[in-house]
Amino acid sequence: DGGITQSPKYLFRKEGQNVTLSCEQNLNHDAMYWYRQDPGQGLRLIYYSQIVNDFQKGDIAEGYSVSREKKESFPLTVTSAQKNPTAFYLCASSAPQQGIYEQYFGPGTRLTVT
Amino acid sequence: GNSVTQMEGPVTLSEEAFLTINCTYTATGYPSLFWYVQYPGEGLQLLLKATKADDKGSNKGFEATYRKETTSFHLEKGSVQVSDSAVYFCALKDYGGSQGNLIFGKGTKLSVKP
Repeated sequence: DGGITQSPKYLFRKEGQNVTLSCEQNLNHDAMYWYRQDPGQGLRLIYYSQIVNDFQKGDIAEGYSVSREKKESFPLTVTSAQKNPTAFYLCASSAPQQGIYEQYFGPGTRLTVT
Repeated sequence: GNSVTQMEGPVTLSEEAFLTINCTYTATGYPSLFWYVQYPGEGLQLLLKATKADDKGSNKGFEATYRKETTSFHLEKGSVQVSDSAVYFCALKDYGGSQGNLIFGKGTKLSVKP
């Protein structure tokens, strides 16, 4: 089955620590995205990547970093510079160059920082 | 700029009631339109889509028609079930921006009571 996996489902960290969230897809999609969702809120775009070795900042990139070394993988690092990191993080992918504009989402990672 | 406006929730219905969730958009050209559903603690799932004016997307008893004259894409279902309780997001494909990015509404929470 093709899809997007995110791990872990729940993540707990102490304040001041960096943490990396995993996102892997086997859909052969070129584009991948990271969103943040706060309780009762919509989605906010953190970073996106249209192709391997290239990525762009979204609306709320401060305090986050990404890499895109492989087509299948787009890990997100939440750094200690992120002032309020506790949130639900969603990864998605699409294939706009193939005319597939809908995004397919992973199950999400809930990060709690105390 | 391009935007999506959804009716605010929460929406509470009894089982077998008729559902309408309003969605209007602002965009240049002819965007593609999407409805996503998010069940508690999960990622978003694509529910339906429409790519041109007068297209009707449908899935699992849900329908939405792309109305260019009213710039709307309202979600409807004739008879809701308890299992339809979720948050629903309207989204559009932003052709003016980066190739694959979607613009999401803020979401509408639906609760269906038995």
